[in-house]
Amino acid sequence: AQKVTQAQTEISVVEKEDVTLDCVYETRDTTYYLFWYKQPPSGELVFLIRRNSFDEQNEISGRYSWNFQKSTSSFNFTITASQVVDSAVYFCALIVLGRQLTFGSGTQLTVLP
Amino acid sequence: NAGVTQTPKFQVLKTGQSMTLQCAQDMNHNSMYWYRQDPGMGLRLIYYSASEGTTDKGEVPNGYNVSRLNKREFSLRLESAAPSQTSVYFCASSRTGEQGQPQHFGDGTRLSIL
Repeated sequence: AQKVTQAQTEISVVEKEDVTLDCVYETRDTTYYLFWYKQPPSGELVFLIRRNSFDEQNEISGRYSWNFQKSTSSFNFTITASQVVDSAVYFCALIVLGRQLTFGSGTQLTVLP
Repeated sequence: NAGVTQTPKFQVLKTGQSMTLQCAQDMNHNSMYWYRQDPGMGLRLIYYSASEGTTDKGEVPNGYNVSRLNKREFSLRLESAAPSQTSVYFCASSRTGEQGQPQHFGDGTRLSIL
């Protein structure tokens, strides 16, 4: 079975602070994909990144960066110099070939001005 | 670019009423999905359609039916609504879900069952 755990239910930071959202996954398969989605207060789900299990390179996109470590089954997401517009619920998700997407329960990030 | 369009955006039903949620995508995607989102539980898959003409159950299919009308449209039906089906429903599509393609989501339908 596959599982995604986002242990941080809510995080609150002050603008310009860095923040890391944790994601731990479980699967016995060697081929899988990991995703992060953002859900702003308006409610839609926005795709942020996809990573396959054979690519452990970290990725940076502007203020966003992702750290994929197979050794600890983690795919953490860091926002550098957070902004109020980053306030949202962030979901980590996992898909194993032949199965469907499994979401974590989400982390509510609040960035205070 | 419309992407994935869901209608309606909000709906209130009484217990026992029926309703169909509509979803259409204009990205020529093969796969389509219906999820429900409940507080503290993330998104859970109700049904999916890997390609036109096929549908399969997801994690929480009870109380729902689906129809893949054509490649663009995938509807979700509640035959006899129950308060436990109060949720936010999301439709999504992807090129081919089993190959790790990202899913693109609609804006959601907020459904309340009284």
